[in-house]
Amino acid sequence: QVQLVESGGGVVQPGRSLRLSCAASGFTFSSYTMHWVRQAPGKGLEWVAVISYDGTNKYYADSVKGRFTFSRDNSKNTLYLQMNSLGAEDTALYYCARGGYGSGSYPFDYWGQGNLVTVSS
Amino acid sequence: EIVLTQSPGTLSLSPGERATLSCRASQSVSSSYLAWYQQKPGQAPRLLIYGASSRATGIPDRFSGSGSGTDFTLTITRLEPEDFAVYYCQQYGSSLPQFTFGPGTKVDTK
Repeated sequence: QVQLVESGGGVVQPGRSLRLSCAASGFTFSSYTMHWVRQAPGKGLEWVAVISYDGTNKYYADSVKGRFTFSRDNSKNTLYLQMNSLGAEDTALYYCARGGYGSGSYPFDYWGQGNLVTVSS
Repeated sequence: EIVLTQSPGTLSLSPGERATLSCRASQSVSSSYLAWYQQKPGQAPRLLIYGASSRATGIPDRFSGSGSGTDFTLTITRLEPEDFAVYYCQQYGSSLPQFTFGPGTKVDTK
């Protein structure tokens, strides 16, 4: 069965960096577009970034562009979200989610359970 | 950038009643790339509907989606106790990758 397991979250001071990981299993990881979505406490869902199946194309929400970097290692079935210059507005539960097979526009059919990032001094 | 608006913000209903949730886009959503998700407290979102009207795998047929262009609807014909949750719409297709979510509609118990 499809599983997505996030890790790497925690409490970090403003201005510092953190790297999230998402380990995938149960499907052909290297064939799927993948996403990060975040949810601030008590708030709605905010799409963060997408990466193509082969890692060559990446797009980011304006709120994180220039600060976050999305990458993947298809040999390890793992996603990474490098988050720099963190601010209080980045405090959220971060989900990785599966997009579509290959290229094209697809909804998010599987989600991890989320990993909490708290930015606080 | 396409902005999604959902209404109402909160819908208070009883089990067995019909729920009608609205999602309106600021621009036409191409090829009906509109999805609906359900999120319960402490859980990840779950995909319900994609392509505006297609049910995802394992979703009961009391959930249905409709609409096109800028106006979309999620209907739950008879609310079950497990359906009380927050529902989000999302557009997932455009020439520039955008995956905007609406602010959500909370369906709670009257």
